[in-house]
Amino acid sequence: EIVMTQSPATLSVSPGERATLSCRASQSVSSNLAWYQQKPGQAPRLLIYGASTRATGIPARFSGSGSGTEFTLTISSLQSEDFAVYYCQQYNNWPQVTFGQGTRLEIK
Amino acid sequence: QVQLVESGGGVVQPGGSLRLSCAASGFTFSSYGMHWVRQAPGKGLEWVAFIRYDGSNKYYADSVKGRFTISRDNSKNTLYLQMNSLRAEDTAVYYCAKDALWFGELSFFDYWGQGTLVTVSS
Repeated sequence: EIVMTQSPATLSVSPGERATLSCRASQSVSSNLAWYQQKPGQAPRLLIYGASTRATGIPARFSGSGSGTEFTLTISSLQSEDFAVYYCQQYNNWPQVTFGQGTRLEIK
Repeated sequence: QVQLVESGGGVVQPGGSLRLSCAASGFTFSSYGMHWVRQAPGKGLEWVAFIRYDGSNKYYADSVKGRFTISRDNSKNTLYLQMNSLRAEDTAVYYCAKDALWFGELSFFDYWGQGTLVTVSS
């Protein structure tokens, strides 16, 4: 099983600033990586797939990068609605797809 | 627009069974694989099971293999999860999720339902 490790566990950032979230895979997943946003009491929402392609309707301030084992989700200028938990997910080693444990993005 | 609506959750005793359903609309259900993903209270996401668009292939997480069965009825646009031999650690919100690939195998999840809570407790 590929283990996905996200860091940090919690990130405190002020509105308007940039947030950088990391996701590391225990072995290469090529570019088969997705990012999701989850707000309290809601289902996850797809943000990024293929490591860097924004999903439909996702604002341009969200960007993804990386390949192999190291990936980054960047939110360029944080809005109030961006404070949430973010998960990465690999789908290279299917059928055993795996998620990271999540990064909680909180208001500083 | 794509809608996924889960039902069937509730409280069940350890060792018991439950069947979850997910009614899909807004897309050609028979053209996409479907998943169940769960989230224990206060925890992260765990993929549970996948079924191919035509039901020919099914995959399970090791934690549920042999106890859970995923199925679908393309004539009713409905996904199911039969859960047997339930344990306390199966307590979670269960989400159905649509796979992003048209006529593909397992990939990522582009739409999610709102989830249904399953509580395993005596």
